[in-house]
This record gives sequence, structure tokens and C-alpha cells, in this order.
Amino acid sequence: EVRLVDSGGGLVQPGGSLRLSCAASGFTFRSYAMTWVRQAPGKGLEWVSTLTLVGDTTYYADSVKGRFTISRDNSKDTLYLQMNSLRAEDTAIYHCAKQSGGSRWNNFDHWGQGTLVTVSS
Amino acid sequence: QSVLTQPPSASGTPGQRVTISCSGSRSNIGDNTVHWYQHLPGTAPKLLIYSNTQRPSGVPDRFSGSKSGTSASLAISGLQSEDEADYYCATWDDSLNGWVFGGGTKLTVL
Repeated sequence: EVRLVDSGGGLVQPGGSLRLSCAASGFTFRSYAMTWVRQAPGKGLEWVSTLTLVGDTTYYADSVKGRFTISRDNSKDTLYLQMNSLRAEDTAIYHCAKQSGGSRWNNFDHWGQGTLVTVSS
Repeated sequence: QSVLTQPPSASGTPGQRVTISCSGSRSNIGDNTVHWYQHLPGTAPKLLIYSNTQRPSGVPDRFSGSKSGTSASLAISGLQSEDEADYYCATWDDSLNGWVFGGGTKLTVL
């Protein structure tokens, strides 16, 4: 059974940093592209970042480009999202998602429950 | 303002058929496949339809998807109370070089 467990969320001050983790199990983690998606309070789903197997290419939403970094540790079956220079508008539940293949176009076939990030002073 | 346009709400009575539309442009829906997700806030979203029309195993055949040009639709027949959730369309956008979601449609079963 595919399982994705998101963690690392919490309360952080504006300008601060946080690193989210997504622990994967039940599939060959190194063989799939992975993505982060967030949902701000009262808002819809918003794509944040994707990490593919094609040369480990990364993609970022304009709203987080230059501030967030997606990475993975295949030896630990874990996906990360390093978030720096956090802003109030980054407050959201962050979900990691497994893609159905290794490329950026593959759909998100399994999702984590999410971890809440609150940016406030 | 989402790149993909969905109606904010939809409703139906048990047993009815409802459709949810998703409108985009050539750079997203026009040139890429559309996927649909079901989401109950506070839980993990669930893949409902992939590649415009395909159902993952375990998804009832009451759910179906279609695409024409720069628009896509999700249809739910034989509506059940458990279908009450938020529904999102999503696809890759070649101009933005990223994924785009619709704003979401809240489905209410009356």
C-alpha cells in the first residue's frame, strides 16, 4: 500500500525558514517524480513544486521561486521542501504527492494527508 | 484567479446526474491531458479521473470525464451523499511551465 506521511509544519515568523518532509513507503520511491501542493485557508489547491526523474529537473510556482527548494533523499525514501523567507501568504496545508511516472506531466496518483504551516508574528 | 475556470458550486439530489466544467486555454487543457481530484478538506486529495477519461482502479464507474478543445468536464451519475466534496481539475501548462488547478467546485448533495 502506498503511504505518504507529511511532517515538519508549524508556526514560524515572517522571514523565517522551515523544512517539510514527506516519508514514502509502499512503492519504489526513486522511480517516481514527486510534487508539493498546498491549500491556503478557505482557498483551493495550488501547485508549489515538482521534482522529476529527468535529470532531476525541478519546477516551481512563481509565488515560491527563489525561496523554496524541493529535494529528495532516495536512501531515506523521503521528499523535502525547504522553505525560506516565509511570508504570511505561505500559510497553508502542504501535501506531498506521488506522480504516476517520472516526468512532469504524470498525474498525482497518491497524496499525503498534509502538514500545516502557519506564518505569523 | 485560477488559470482553469470551474463553477464554485454544484448541487443535486441523490440519484441525479451532475456535471462540473473546467475551462482553460490552448497552453494547458488544449495541449495536455486533464486530471480530476476529489478532496474533503483536512484529508488527502484523491485521484478520480486521469488522462481526460480514465478511472483509477477502485473509482466507481459513476464518475466519468471528457475533454473537448480547451474544456473538460467531470460527470457524476447516480449521485450519493458520500460524493459531497470539493472537486478540482488540473493539468500542465506549457506557457507557465507548471501545473495549474481549477479553483475547485463544492458539490452539495441535497
